[in-house]
Amino acid sequence: EVQLVESGGGLVQPGGSLRLSCAASGFTFSNSWMSWVRQAPGKGLEWVANIKQDGNEKYYGDSVKGRFTISRDNAKNSLYLQMNSLRAEDTAVYYCAPYLGSWGQGTLVTVSS
Amino acid sequence: DIQMTQSPSTLSASVGDRVIITCRASQSINTWLAWYQQKPGKAPKLLIHKASSLQSGVPSRFSGSGSGTEFTLTISSLQPDDFATYYCQQYNSWSLFTFGPGTKVDIK
Repeated sequence: EVQLVESGGGLVQPGGSLRLSCAASGFTFSNSWMSWVRQAPGKGLEWVANIKQDGNEKYYGDSVKGRFTISRDNAKNSLYLQMNSLRAEDTAVYYCAPYLGSWGQGTLVTVSS
Repeated sequence: DIQMTQSPSTLSASVGDRVIITCRASQSINTWLAWYQQKPGKAPKLLIHKASSLQSGVPSRFSGSGSGTEFTLTISSLQPDDFATYYCQQYNSWSLFTFGPGTKVDIK
């Protein structure tokens, strides 16, 4: 069974940093492109970033480019999102998702003073 | 950038109704389109990929069609479990994924 468990969310002040993790199991993690997608409270889905299987290609949405970094550790079946210079508008539930697969339950990031 | 629109934004329907949701892309995405279902407080669930391929385990009352810039999701006979919000997503290029704004299907 595919399982993705996000962690690392919480309350952070504007301008602060946070690192999200996603532990994957039940599928061949190293064979899959992976994504981060977020959803602000009461809003729709927003794609955040993609990373290729070997980590050598990374792409970001315009709203996070230059502030967020996606990475992965295939030996640990784990996906990460380093978030810097956080803003109030980054407040959202962050989901990790394999290419055309099941999503995790998400982790809530709240940016507020 | 590729923009996605969905119509309607809200749809009121009854159990047993045939429901059609439309998704349009601002430029051609071939058939690189997925449909997701999301219930309150839950993660989105993939229903259809490549515009018309039903994800394993998804009931056959769900179907997708279209190519290029216009796509539809059809629920042939709406069931109580289907009241949810539906999103389309284009994945034409790894460098940019885009979701539609969503269509909420609620009870008439």
